[in-house]
Amino acid sequence: NAGVTQTPKFRVLKTGQSMTLLCAQDMNHEYMYWYRQDPGMGLRLIHYSVGEGTTAKGEVPDGYNVSRLKKQNFLLGLESAAPSQTSVYFCASRQGSHEQFFGPGTRLTVL
Amino acid sequence: SQKIEQNSEALNIQEGKTATLTCNYTNYSPAYLQWYRQDPGRGPVFLLLIRENEKEKRKERLKVTFDTTLKQSLFHITASQPADSATYLCAPSASLGGYNKLIFGAGTRLAVHP
Repeated sequence: NAGVTQTPKFRVLKTGQSMTLLCAQDMNHEYMYWYRQDPGMGLRLIHYSVGEGTTAKGEVPDGYNVSRLKKQNFLLGLESAAPSQTSVYFCASRQGSHEQFFGPGTRLTVL
Repeated sequence: SQKIEQNSEALNIQEGKTATLTCNYTNYSPAYLQWYRQDPGRGPVFLLLIRENEKEKRKERLKVTFDTTLKQSLFHITASQPADSATYLCAPSASLGGYNKLIFGAGTRLAVHP
C-alpha cells in the first residue's frame, strides 16, 4: 500500500499560470481533503470531498477548483496562480474512523 | 470565529523527562480532538483521538487530556527520546456542511536533547 501520494513534489509557477495537483489514495477511502500550510499557521482546508463525484468548499477555497471523478483521485487546480498561493499543499483521506492520512505534500512557489 | 492556540515557541526538554504541550480553543465546542505529529518536509501523522466525553486517553508513552470546561487539551510524552523531536499539531473537530472537519493549530515544535 502506497497510502496517499501527491504529484508533483515541487513546482515553480509564474503569476497567471495554471496547474493541477494530483492526489491519489489506494485505501478505498470515501473522504478526501486538500489543505494548505503556511509558516506560523495551521493547516487550512481548501476543498473536500465526501465521495466520488462530490466536492465542497472548505475555509479558503478562492482561487482553487477541485474534481473527484474517480474515488481514488482528488485533483486541485489553480486556474491563474498568484504569489499568495505560494504554500505547501497537503492532501489527506479518511474512511470511517476520524483519523486522516496525509500525503507527503507539494511545495508550490508562485513568482 | 473558531480559534486554536498552541505554544508558538519551541519546547526544549532533556531526554527522559516528560514533555507537556498545550492546546487551547475558543468559540466552539468540538465533539473530539486529535493530535498529529509532523516531521520537517513530511505530512502530519495521526497519533491520538479523544472525544468530548473522555477525560484522558493513553497510547504507550503518550497521554492526552481533554477539559471541555477549560477548553483545553494537554498532550504528554513520558520518558521522552530524541526521536520524539518533531512538531505536534492539535486539531479539534468542527461541523462543516453537516460533516466534521478538523481545525488545525499552528503546532508546537518539540526538541528533546540527549
